[in-house]
Amino acid sequence: SQTIHQWPATLVQPVGSPLSLECTVEGTSNPNLYWYRQAAGRGLQLLFYSVGIGQISSEVPQNLSASRPQDRQFILSSKKLLLSDSGFYLCAWSVLVGPNEQFFGPGTRLTVL
Amino acid sequence: AQSVTQLDSQVPVFEEAPVELRCNYSSSVSVYLFWYVQYPNQGLQLLLKYLSGSTLVKGINGFEAEFNKSQTSFHLRKPSVHISDTAEYFCAVRNSGYSTLTFGKGTMLLVSP
Repeated sequence: SQTIHQWPATLVQPVGSPLSLECTVEGTSNPNLYWYRQAAGRGLQLLFYSVGIGQISSEVPQNLSASRPQDRQFILSSKKLLLSDSGFYLCAWSVLVGPNEQFFGPGTRLTVL
Repeated sequence: AQSVTQLDSQVPVFEEAPVELRCNYSSSVSVYLFWYVQYPNQGLQLLLKYLSGSTLVKGINGFEAEFNKSQTSFHLRKPSVHISDTAEYFCAVRNSGYSTLTFGKGTMLLVSP
């Protein structure tokens, strides 16, 4: 069966510090991968998605970036965090073709102080 | 473009009462529709999905939803809720021409004894 992991589970970072969040998927090949941010009361905002290694689509311009160095690994980064980057970050995967039902990881709670 | 409207941000209900969470979508083409549930500080879990065929879809935990093409709706229902159903519920849509899901802002279901 497929599983999706995210780490860390929680993170407290000062403004201006760098960020690296990691997501890995097991039990499937060639998945679509997604990064979402969930701010309080604002639903899910799609940040990035990837259909293959090195292929990243950005949905929202911001100081975040994403990379996919391996087929089942998706990394969210920032060089300098802003207060507004605080939120709950969710990684998800789906099969490459078909109705695109997405499966979500447990999330990372990021607090920027 | 695809969009989703969840009309209620919060729905309070007593235990064992029926509940309906409303979802309307906008689309000019064929759609796939999903309901997800999120418990506090966790990722999203798929409740049910409509891909094609029967307009009444049954999901996990006793939930069901009905796809109504003429009213562009996909309301979620449960005949008798439990305290454990307290969570946030998200409706999502994917047009056949898109590779990503669009989520509504969520409805918080609050079940009290």
